[in-house]
Amino acid sequence: DADVTQTPRNRITKTGKRIMLECSQTKGHDRMYWYRQDPGLGLRLIYYSFDVKDINKGEISDGYSVSRQAQAKFSLSLESAIPNQTALYFCATSGNVGASGSQSLYNEQFFGPGTRLTVL
Amino acid sequence: RKEVEQDPGPFNVPEGATVAFNCTYSNSASQSFFWYRQDCRKEPKLLMSVYSSGNEDGRFTAQLNRASQYISLLIRDSKLSDSATYLCVDFGGGKLIFGQGTELSVKP
Repeated sequence: DADVTQTPRNRITKTGKRIMLECSQTKGHDRMYWYRQDPGLGLRLIYYSFDVKDINKGEISDGYSVSRQAQAKFSLSLESAIPNQTALYFCATSGNVGASGSQSLYNEQFFGPGTRLTVL
Repeated sequence: RKEVEQDPGPFNVPEGATVAFNCTYSNSASQSFFWYRQDCRKEPKLLMSVYSSGNEDGRFTAQLNRASQYISLLIRDSKLSDSATYLCVDFGGGKLIFGQGTELSVKP
């Protein structure tokens, strides 16, 4: 089974609808992230959470909200979807302890398979 | 100016060729850089870290030039399976900042 899962994998919706994308992980990581990817723009950070009580805005948080329901679950919501939110959305996780066993500055991020969202 | 910039390509090369990608970054205070690999429509996966002294992993070599603020990735003896998009990443302020990616296509 995959360590980081996203549901749904594909979604087509209409302008103005509320959409929730869900992310679950079995890696036991504290840190979770939501990114969107658009052609020619790379991945951009929407929101991130370093633990259950910690939520932070990323580069492009407008129009989005998140909920960290548990250590293993991090949901992204579009309250009123608009066409320019059509994109590929990735959830990612990272641990708070580096590979060497120390609290390193960087910890590899593990990505879910992505959700392809189309807003008509 | 984008924080991390890459030539989007595509780079079309024959099997066995050597190919190099460059990436520039704007934050002179950045300390950590990485290359991620992304196959078509799939999730990115860490390929390798980039150290000041340069590092090598098999056919892959990563270099960092702080004076010119660029990072490079060299792939020797290209394989068909190397076809993918390569993402240059700056770890700044506790977050990953991605370049737009460079597409590589290795042909038989």
